[in-house]
Amino acid sequence: DVKVTQSSRYLVKRTGEKVFLECVQDMDHENMFWYRQDPGLGLRLIYFSYDVKMKEKGDIPEGYSVSREKKERFSLILESASTNQTSMYLCASCKGRQCEKLFFGSGTQLSVL
Amino acid sequence: AQSVSQHNHHVILSEAASLELGCNYSYGGTVNLFWYVQYPGQHLQLLLKYFSGDPLVKGIKGFEAEFIKSKFSFNLRKPSVQWSDTAEYFCAVNEYGANNLFFGTGTRLTVIP
Repeated sequence: DVKVTQSSRYLVKRTGEKVFLECVQDMDHENMFWYRQDPGLGLRLIYFSYDVKMKEKGDIPEGYSVSREKKERFSLILESASTNQTSMYLCASCKGRQCEKLFFGSGTQLSVL
Repeated sequence: AQSVSQHNHHVILSEAASLELGCNYSYGGTVNLFWYVQYPGQHLQLLLKYFSGDPLVKGIKGFEAEFIKSKFSFNLRKPSVQWSDTAEYFCAVNEYGANNLFFGTGTRLTVIP
């Protein structure tokens, strides 16, 4: 079965810190995504990547950047963490142009104090 | 960008009751439609999807959804819910040929035994 692994389940950071969230998938998927999940707002797409070194902005890219140096790994970077970035971050991956099925990681609950 | 609306934020039902969760989207072109489910403490997972063909699609655990193009809707149904259906349900849409998925705000379903 496909596995999408997020490096941390819980993370606590201070305002202004640079934060790295790592995601690795083991099924050779071309497409990888970062979402944030907030109560009442559902899942909002931050960035996605359809190939190595390629990235596309989602709905809410401000304050975030991403890196995809290898096919299996997609990193989300908070350049200077702020309290409004406290959230659950979900990584997902899928295969093919139409992404018939997204596979999700278990999420990273980030708290910025 | 796509817009996906789920008007029911929290639905509470007794076991054996019938379920219908609404989903409407804004894009006028060809779309692919999905329902994802997140059981308590678990990853998001695919419940069912519509790409083309029969507008009535069946998914896992007795769920089905009907695509009504004229209404831009993809409502989720189940004739008789069980306590184990307690979860959060997300409708999602992508444009045909695109690989980024837009999610609704989610509907929390609580089934009372």
